Amino acid sequence: DGGITQSPKYLFRKEGQNVTLSCEQNLNHDAMYWYRQDPGQGLRLIYYSQIVNDFQKGDIAEGYSVSREKKESFPLTVTSAQKNPTAFYLCASRRGDKGNSPLHFGNGTRLTVT
Amino acid sequence: GEDVEQSLFLSVREGDSSVINCTYTDSSSTYLYWYKQEPGAGLQLLTYIFSNMDMKQDQRLTVLLNKKDKHLSLRIADTQTGDSAIYFCAESISGGYQKVTFGIGTKLQVIP
Repeated sequence: DGGITQSPKYLFRKEGQNVTLSCEQNLNHDAMYWYRQDPGQGLRLIYYSQIVNDFQKGDIAEGYSVSREKKESFPLTVTSAQKNPTAFYLCASRRGDKGNSPLHFGNGTRLTVT
Repeated sequence: GEDVEQSLFLSVREGDSSVINCTYTDSSSTYLYWYKQEPGAGLQLLTYIFSNMDMKQDQRLTVLLNKKDKHLSLRIADTQTGDSAIYFCAESISGGYQKVTFGIGTKLQVIP
């Protein structure tokens, strides 16, 4: 079955450490996205990539970095510069055509930094 | 600018209909979406409607769009306990990058 896989489901890190969240899709989608979800704040866009080897900052990119070396993969690194990294992180993808195809989401990674 | 607003909470009895409302501000929205999120999970696409449509029905789900008032609603008929979740309204705006803006989510509680 096609879908988006995020791993791990739960991640714990000490403050000051970088951590990388994995996102893989086998939907053959061109565009991929990272969102952050905090209670009472909905979803906020961190980074997005419309094609391989290209990505753009979203609304809250500070303290995060991404890469898009393969169509299937869009890992997110939460750096020590992110002031409040504890959150639920969601990866999404879509066809990327101009027809406004809907976003498909993974099951998320809950990151806790202490 | 773009902004999507939803009420935070809705409680209904099992078997009743649920109506979740959403307002958006960007008149250039092309598609409007409804997503469902169960605890600890990602967002699941329920349905979507193109901005030149007024209504879309899909089994127990009915989406109504009032473009003049920029108001979108999701009606769930015969609501079941399995419908308890957070429901997100989202709009997609045409452009070089088709930005999707989400509402804050409405938590639906179904009382047995």
